[in-house]
Amino acid sequence: SQTIHQWPATLVQPVGSPLSLECTVEGTSNPNLYWYRQAAGRGLQLLFYSIGIGQISSEVPQNLSASRPQDRQFILSSKKLLLSDSGFYLCAWSVQYRPNYGYTFGSGTRLTVV
Amino acid sequence: GQQVMQIPQYQHVQEGEDFTTYCNSSTTLSNIQWYKQRPGGHPVFLIQLVKSGEVKKQKRLTFQFGEAKKNSSLHITATQTTDVGTYFCAGLKGDSWGKLQFGAGTQVVVTP
Repeated sequence: SQTIHQWPATLVQPVGSPLSLECTVEGTSNPNLYWYRQAAGRGLQLLFYSIGIGQISSEVPQNLSASRPQDRQFILSSKKLLLSDSGFYLCAWSVQYRPNYGYTFGSGTRLTVV
Repeated sequence: GQQVMQIPQYQHVQEGEDFTTYCNSSTTLSNIQWYKQRPGGHPVFLIQLVKSGEVKKQKRLTFQFGEAKKNSSLHITATQTTDVGTYFCAGLKGDSWGKLQFGAGTQVVVTP
């Protein structure tokens, strides 16, 4: 069966520090991968999506970047965090070319920038 | 661009009552999906609707896709405390590759 792992679960980082969040998917090949951010009590904002290794599309100009070094690995990074980067970061995957199967989300990372 | 609007933003429900949350798109959708996020948790896929006018049921939850494929609704009967959470609709356009557009969600609070 397919599983998605996301870590760490919580993170407190000072302003100006770097960030690296990792997401891995098991049990499937060539997944579509997504990074979302959710502000407290708010909806889901798509940050990045990827249809393959090295193929990243950015949805919103921001202080973040994403990389996909391996088929089932998706990394969210920042060189210098801002206070506004705080939020709940969710990684998700879907079956390539079959989005009607639904997204499967990871358990998320709660990031607090102080 | 495509907008998916969801109302109401908040829903306070007495246990045992029914309620409905609505989802509207500015453009025609190829399908619509519904997700539930429990407090402190992550969104979990509930169901997908594809056909115009489609109605699907999951126990006390009834999902409907509009005839024009621009709106959808989720109706919950006899609300229970386990229904607490935020319900998101997410629309998919035919040419959007697989990139869902999520609504802002309806946060449901159930009072005993």
